[in-house]
Amino acid sequence: GENVEQHPSTLSVQEGDSAVIKCTYSDSASNYFPWYKQELGKRPQLIIDIRSNVGEKKDQRIAVTLNKTAKHFSLHITETQPEDSAVYFCAAGRGANNLFFGTGTRLTVIP
Amino acid sequence: EPEVTQTPSHQVTQMGQEVILRCVPISNHLYFYWYRQILGQKVEFLVSFYNNEISEKSEIFDDQFSVERPDGSNFTLKIRSTKLEDSAMYFCASSEQGAEGYTFGSGTRLTVV
Repeated sequence: GENVEQHPSTLSVQEGDSAVIKCTYSDSASNYFPWYKQELGKRPQLIIDIRSNVGEKKDQRIAVTLNKTAKHFSLHITETQPEDSAVYFCAAGRGANNLFFGTGTRLTVIP
Repeated sequence: EPEVTQTPSHQVTQMGQEVILRCVPISNHLYFYWYRQILGQKVEFLVSFYNNEISEKSEIFDDQFSVERPDGSNFTLKIRSTKLEDSAMYFCASSEQGAEGYTFGSGTRLTVV
């Protein structure tokens, strides 16, 4: 089955700096890669996703890149704000199948 | 915006008791899922359900677990004889297209004492 690894497990950045979170996956058949933000005690919320026919996608301060050959994908948050503080999970999936989640990154943005 | 609804939000149960966690998926969604998240850990897949049957399940989803769609709206997870290690947040999710476009419910925090 799919195995998703995520690094780092914790990340602290100064407000205004950029944050980068990286994930690798094992199943070359995976073709859908979402990122979720989870605030304490709340549900995971989809913030951005990318499909395998695309190398990069951007939505305001958030971008995701995908390298299919190397089987890794990254989340980039620019101009970080305190409200970006949360746990971020990457995931990989395909078609009608379930998602496999990474272990999460706790991002702390220091004002 | 449509939501996935889960009840109860928090359930405390004695070890060995049966619990039923309830979910109302988004009405036009066809794929339903249960995931769990032990405190501070990652979200783990339990089971997926499509066309009124289980389509995939993980090794966590053993004989103590079952799922049902008793009517046109509810999707339930039953744990027959709860163990301490079943304590976790349980998330229901639904989607129109499988892995893409998941909507998670707000979760049920299950505490087994």
